Amino acid sequence: QSALTQPASVSGSPGQSITISCTGTISDVGGYNYVSWYQQHPGKAPKLMIYDVSNRPSGVSNRFSGSKSGNTASLTISGLQAEDEADYHCSSYTSSSTVLFGRGTKLTVL
Amino acid sequence: EVQLLESGGGLVQPGGSLRLSCAASGFTFSSSDMSWVRQAPGKGLEWVSAISGSGGNTFYADSVKGRFTISRDNSKNTLYLQMNSLRAEDTAVYYCAKPPEGYNSGWSKLGYWGQGTLVTVSS
Repeated sequence: QSALTQPASVSGSPGQSITISCTGTISDVGGYNYVSWYQQHPGKAPKLMIYDVSNRPSGVSNRFSGSKSGNTASLTISGLQAEDEADYHCSSYTSSSTVLFGRGTKLTVL
Repeated sequence: EVQLLESGGGLVQPGGSLRLSCAASGFTFSSSDMSWVRQAPGKGLEWVSAISGSGGNTFYADSVKGRFTISRDNSKNTLYLQMNSLRAEDTAVYYCAKPPEGYNSGWSKLGYWGQGTLVTVSS
């Protein structure tokens, strides 16, 4: 299976909002509401930010939100802050009972 | 506090074998599905394998099927990944992970991660 498609990089200024897309197929993103998003700072383990398309784990800022339309899921970060600069990875459950990740998106806060 | 501590990584020659361990604490290990996820240097995350709480169900990525075996010892609160026929493309940091608080099943949402252990496959 090919990785989910994410933009290699996005950028925004402090206070702005950005959206990262994650495109798959009907066999993964489009077929299940099991999309997750992870934040990863350099040299650190990933941190779960959104699960099941739009749910936030306890402790995650409400500036982070998720949505899905068809085969594309999206992560929106509002009120960008310097500490949001990181890599963001999407993942989806698949029809093979496996999980597929995207290649990751590097967010730069200008 | 949930803790996951991987060990067993290192340098191995192509075609060789290695067994990774993940020592778990702070939760009811036998009730929780567990996963292995890897990350090649400078690359994205890749889901590798998952196992049910009882150990009765296992799942693998196509890239490792037939070469890697996931298992667990619930009496020792430890997860394992036996890696055989290793290739250069298996070089990565390997993380063990579990569902977030309030969830025991599934591997589509991984709320707790270990610090990772580096596996390098090279001659």
